[in-house]
Amino acid sequence: EAGVVQSPRYKIIEKKQPVAFWCNPISGHNTLYWYLQNLGQGPELLIRYENEEAVDDSQLPKDRFSAERLKGVDSTLKIQPAELGDSAVYLCASSLETGGQYFGPGTRLTVL
Amino acid sequence: DAKTTQPPSMDCAEGRAANLPCNHSTISGNEYVYWYRQIHSQGPQYIIHGLKNNETNEMASLIITEDRKSSTLILPHATLRDTAVYYCIVRDTGNQFYFGTGTSLTVIP
Repeated sequence: EAGVVQSPRYKIIEKKQPVAFWCNPISGHNTLYWYLQNLGQGPELLIRYENEEAVDDSQLPKDRFSAERLKGVDSTLKIQPAELGDSAVYLCASSLETGGQYFGPGTRLTVL
Repeated sequence: DAKTTQPPSMDCAEGRAANLPCNHSTISGNEYVYWYRQIHSQGPQYIIHGLKNNETNEMASLIITEDRKSSTLILPHATLRDTAVYYCIVRDTGNQFYFGTGTSLTVIP
């Protein structure tokens, strides 16, 4: 069974540029999560989807971050415009309605 | 906010048991304890979880105290590949995971 797929694995952009990350969850997992992980810290939740509905986006900086999960499967996380402080690893995870979360490898973003 | 407290780092000799402690004194009766680990440049990997009873799988054992305020993850025979950051997480009723900073385990040859 394929795990959570994320792309790209690495992205380097200049500040003020837009960037997008893509996630394909495990088949059948209706819950999808986006996390941000800074160096030396644990992952922090940005947004959680139940199917196509964002049920918790309280930690998402909505002035520059947006996310969507059309058709309740794949998801995209976008930052526009990116700032230097956005440099981090962006992790996607999926799960059934309850139970363990399965994480993708993450996208390492560097903003110059 | 993280609901768990873990030591920031530990060492373990290769081949010995690694015992990683975790305090979760504010855990509620229906909240599960999960353990994940993260090897450098990879996403967190599920290890084991439990509610009240001790649990064992092919990777590890989880010992939860009777009052559920703490737990210990046991890697019975640590190998160099077990070097990683280990996260103890309390999953709330909304299936939210709160990661702390974890324990950085170094297995020494």
